[in-house]
Amino acid sequence: DGGITQSPKYLFRKEGQNVTLSCEQNLNHDAMYWYRQDPGQGLRLIYYSQIVNDFQKGDIAEGYSVSREKKESFPLTVTSAQKNPTAFYLCASSSREAQPQHFGDGTRLSIL
Amino acid sequence: QQQVKQSPQSLIVQKGGIPIINCAYENTAFDYFPWYQQFPGKGPALLIAIRPDVSEKKEGRFTISFNKSAKQFSLHIMDSQPGDSATYFCAASKGRGQGGKLIFGQGTELSVKP
Repeated sequence: DGGITQSPKYLFRKEGQNVTLSCEQNLNHDAMYWYRQDPGQGLRLIYYSQIVNDFQKGDIAEGYSVSREKKESFPLTVTSAQKNPTAFYLCASSSREAQPQHFGDGTRLSIL
Repeated sequence: QQQVKQSPQSLIVQKGGIPIINCAYENTAFDYFPWYQQFPGKGPALLIAIRPDVSEKKEGRFTISFNKSAKQFSLHIMDSQPGDSATYFCAASKGRGQGGKLIFGQGTELSVKP
């Protein structure tokens, strides 16, 4: 089945630790996105990538980093600089800049 | 100008009722307006979307009404069912050349009582 796979489903971070969230898609989409979801705040864009080896900051990029070495993969690293990392993280993809965006089932990150 | 404002924050209706969720935007460059449905622990799934050249679009029990002059759009769910209980998000996008970025509303938690 074509889709977006996010892993792990749950992740715990210790103080001062970097953690990496995985996002893989087999939809042959060019564009990929990372969103953060907090209760009552909708989804906010962290980073997006329109093609391999290129990505742009979204609205809340501070404390996060990404890479796009392969078309299918767009991992997100939550660094120790992100002081409030507890949230539900969602990855999405779309065909170039066109809509619609298709979402994975998210990773819930918590602090130990 | 980048915001999309969604209301109400929560909504409770009886089975068979017609919940209506409203969204408003400021940026007239937005040209794509989707609605997403999200169940707990899952990612959002596209329900229905509209572009500003039409005033209404129906897909099954879901209808988007679009008022370009008022810069508002709304989702109507006809004959609502308990299985429709979920969080609904409206969004807007400025189209090509803008990275396809979606600006989301704050979400509406809908509960349909049996």
